[in-house]
Amino acid sequence: AQSVSQHNHHVILSEAASLELGCNYSYGGTVNLFWYVQYPGQHLQLLLKYFSGDPLVKGIKGFEAEFIKSKFSFNLRKPSVQWSDTAEYFCAVLNNAGNMLTFGGGTRLMVKP
Amino acid sequence: DTAVSQTPKYLVTQMGNDKSIKCEQNLGHDTMYWYKQDSKKFLKIMFSYNNKELIINETVPNRFSPKSPDKAHLNLHINSLELGDSAVYFCASSQAGVTNYGYTFGSGTRLTVV
Repeated sequence: AQSVSQHNHHVILSEAASLELGCNYSYGGTVNLFWYVQYPGQHLQLLLKYFSGDPLVKGIKGFEAEFIKSKFSFNLRKPSVQWSDTAEYFCAVLNNAGNMLTFGGGTRLMVKP
Repeated sequence: DTAVSQTPKYLVTQMGNDKSIKCEQNLGHDTMYWYKQDSKKFLKIMFSYNNKELIINETVPNRFSPKSPDKAHLNLHINSLELGDSAVYFCASSQAGVTNYGYTFGSGTRLTVV
């Protein structure tokens, strides 16, 4: 069975600080990895995704993530956060059949102005 | 145009009542899902339908019954509501076999059982 772990449950940063959110997955097949963001009171929006090729993927709003197969990791990064990045961030893994998207527990990011 | 729309957005009801949440997608996807997000923001899949057929049914009480009249709709009916059912329920859709786009989510239905 696939699973996703996000070790940082709450992160508080000041504006302009750099961000790295951890994500580790467990899945025996070819991985398809995603980061979703949920702004307060809103639905999930796709930030970025990895399914093959360059392990460093760039997403919207200046976010990027690096897939490291040997570490089963897909950490999310942003060099300089803004107050508007305050949100809940979810890492997810999709199985080969595409019918089971499993989420990590989420990381709540608060950016202080 | 909203890709995945859910109604209602908010639902407050008493214990023991029966309620339904509706979901519609206009993306032409053939697979739809229901996820439950609890108070700690943990997201867990409940059901998955492909072309109106149930393909995933996670450990969910049988008070929850999904219904898919066609591949663009997946409704969730809940009988005998309990306090623990209070959560945000998200509908999502995807195209089977297409794994590089992830899922598209609706805006959620916040269910509060009092």
